[in-house]
Amino acid sequence: SQQGEEDPQALSIQEGENATMNCSYKTSINNLQWYRQNSGRGLVHLILIRSNEREKHSGRLRVTLDTSKKSSSLLITASRAADTASYFCATDLSTSYGKLTFGQGTILTVHP
Amino acid sequence: GAGVSQSPSNKVTEKGKDVELRCDPISGHTALYWYRQSLGQGLEFLIYFQGNSAPDKSGLPSDRFSAERTGGSVSTLTIQRTQQEDSAVYLCASRRPAGQQETQYFGPGTRLLVL
Repeated sequence: SQQGEEDPQALSIQEGENATMNCSYKTSINNLQWYRQNSGRGLVHLILIRSNEREKHSGRLRVTLDTSKKSSSLLITASRAADTASYFCATDLSTSYGKLTFGQGTILTVHP
Repeated sequence: GAGVSQSPSNKVTEKGKDVELRCDPISGHTALYWYRQSLGQGLEFLIYFQGNSAPDKSGLPSDRFSAERTGGSVSTLTIQRTQQEDSAVYLCASRRPAGQQETQYFGPGTRLLVL
């Protein structure tokens, strides 16, 4: 099964609202990364949080990491229609030197 | 600077034919990864190259899949005797050599369709 499990599978919100996506994993990690994908093509890196960090911000993005619960969340504040995309969490396992294991992703739709 | 590039963008082939997919990593990135994204399987790791070390091929789904990296830069993923289940988007990523905790940068992918 996937190392990363994400929920919800799909999220539909109005512009201006906040969007929260969650990711759970099973084994020890070096870091956890969030990516965005538009139209099923290239992945765009959003943010990386290391295993010794608990929270990280980048613009309208806020990521938290709880290693005791093996979970992470991505919060997008004041969403825009341009944020519509698929969002994936990816774990870099302690034993895998950068080989990423991806969750199934959350499809976010932001309505104008 | 230039990002990771992949070619071709799209490839349609007939079942049983061989295909080659190319990846040009970011200059100076010594680590290179191939992933596959297919319906129902999500994104899965295929193979990893790091400098002159032996590649990690643990994710390759069958012996029809192989990859090489020449001169520590360009990589080619080859699929022999393609099958319909090989249809997917093949993504390449590269990373700086400065330790494990570094961002991977992805190319736009090659969309492969096997008829």
